[in-house]
Amino acid sequence: GAGVSQSPRYKVAKRGQDVALRCDPISGHVSLFWYQQALGQGPEFLTYFQNEAQLDKSGLPSDRFFAERPEGSVSTLKIQRTQQEDSAVYLCASSLRTGTYNEQFFGPGTRLTVL
Amino acid sequence: AQSVTQLGSHVSVSEGALVLLRCNYSSSVPPYLFWYVQYPNQGLQLLLKYTSAATLVKGINGFEAEFKKSETSFHLTKPSAHMSDAAEYFCAVSLAARQLTFGSGTQLTVLP
Repeated sequence: GAGVSQSPRYKVAKRGQDVALRCDPISGHVSLFWYQQALGQGPEFLTYFQNEAQLDKSGLPSDRFFAERPEGSVSTLKIQRTQQEDSAVYLCASSLRTGTYNEQFFGPGTRLTVL
Repeated sequence: AQSVTQLGSHVSVSEGALVLLRCNYSSSVPPYLFWYVQYPNQGLQLLLKYTSAATLVKGINGFEAEFKKSETSFHLTKPSAHMSDAAEYFCAVSLAARQLTFGSGTQLTVLP
């Protein structure tokens, strides 16, 4: 594809519901990152994949957050039992490779609103 | 650990005036530094990056930034603001080419 795509673009959930957010990275990109951007704030790191391996999940705020990338391409961020503080824009980014700096290309984000 | 501080959450300039957005970083080792721009309901777009080559970095849309180690700064400038520059700007730092640590952002308004 031309860039990183994310779906859905907008999600409204009732408190306690589970949600799944999808990220389609640029084809061939090895690295994939998830960030959380609260209103009026900069993005904050959640987790990082190299191919299918989740190498860093230190930014996940609780065990209700889970991410996977089973085939090293598409990734899903799942939030269980959503709470109001989970309301944010969730950004996905991919880069060609790791080891040396490579530009991260960002998707448009999924805006999650928990009522 | 690394961190970024952006001074001024809102900056207003007149069209044609100088744009200066401030960024200071904290890092225990030489960092990679970036400026991103975010338009409403869009993802982040890379404006420019510093990766230990030239200290004066030129980016897209006429923006540039200078890495000053003695001041731990990486301020973003543009000589003449255009209406289309109105957006939110984020400074970010990275170590070991992994995840980015972002500042809280600066909303730039360009007045006619």
